[in-house]
Amino acid sequence: AQKVTQAQTEISVVEKEDVTLDCVYETRDTTYYLFWYKQPPSGELVFLIRRNSFDEQNEISGRYSWNFQKSTSSFNFTITASQVVDSAVYFCALSEARGNNRLAFGKGNQVVVIP
Amino acid sequence: DAGVTQSPTHLIKTRGQHVTLRCSPISGHKSVSWYQQVLGQGPQFIFQYYEKEERGRGNFPDRFSARQFPNYSSELNVNALLLGDSALYLCASSLVQVVANEQFFGPGTRLTVL
Repeated sequence: AQKVTQAQTEISVVEKEDVTLDCVYETRDTTYYLFWYKQPPSGELVFLIRRNSFDEQNEISGRYSWNFQKSTSSFNFTITASQVVDSAVYFCALSEARGNNRLAFGKGNQVVVIP
Repeated sequence: DAGVTQSPTHLIKTRGQHVTLRCSPISGHKSVSWYQQVLGQGPQFIFQYYEKEERGRGNFPDRFSARQFPNYSSELNVNALLLGDSALYLCASSLVQVVANEQFFGPGTRLTVL
């Protein structure tokens, strides 16, 4: 069974600071995808990034970057130089090949950026 | 192009009643999934439909049912409502039913059961 764990905490940072969100996952599949979604107060989930299980190359996309380590089953996400608009709940999610594109979400991290 | 739309945006029901939630996917998308998000938790998978057939079901009781229409829109039905059914119900659409396919979420329907 697929499982995603996020330490469910509220993280407060001052604007322009970096914030890193931790995600640990469990799966028996060798083929899977990991995602990060953002949920602002409006409620709509917004796709941020996706990584497949065969590509551990870490990348940067604008102010977002991620660190995928299969050895520790972790998929951490960093927002660089945070802005007030980054205040939201961030969810890590897992999709297994056997489960088609069914997403298993963690409990989320509430990020509060203080101006 | 319009994104995923859901109706209604808010709904208040009493215990024992029935509710129908509606979702229109992005034009051209053939797969629709439903998720339940209880306050303070991550979304939980309920159903997935692709080409009008149920392709996946989460761990929810038979009170929950869904269907997909020829135009790929979808309905989620919940019978005999319980207080615990109060949640944000999210619909997501994707082009096809592939594990890597990005899912686009709608704004959700917030259901309150009194």
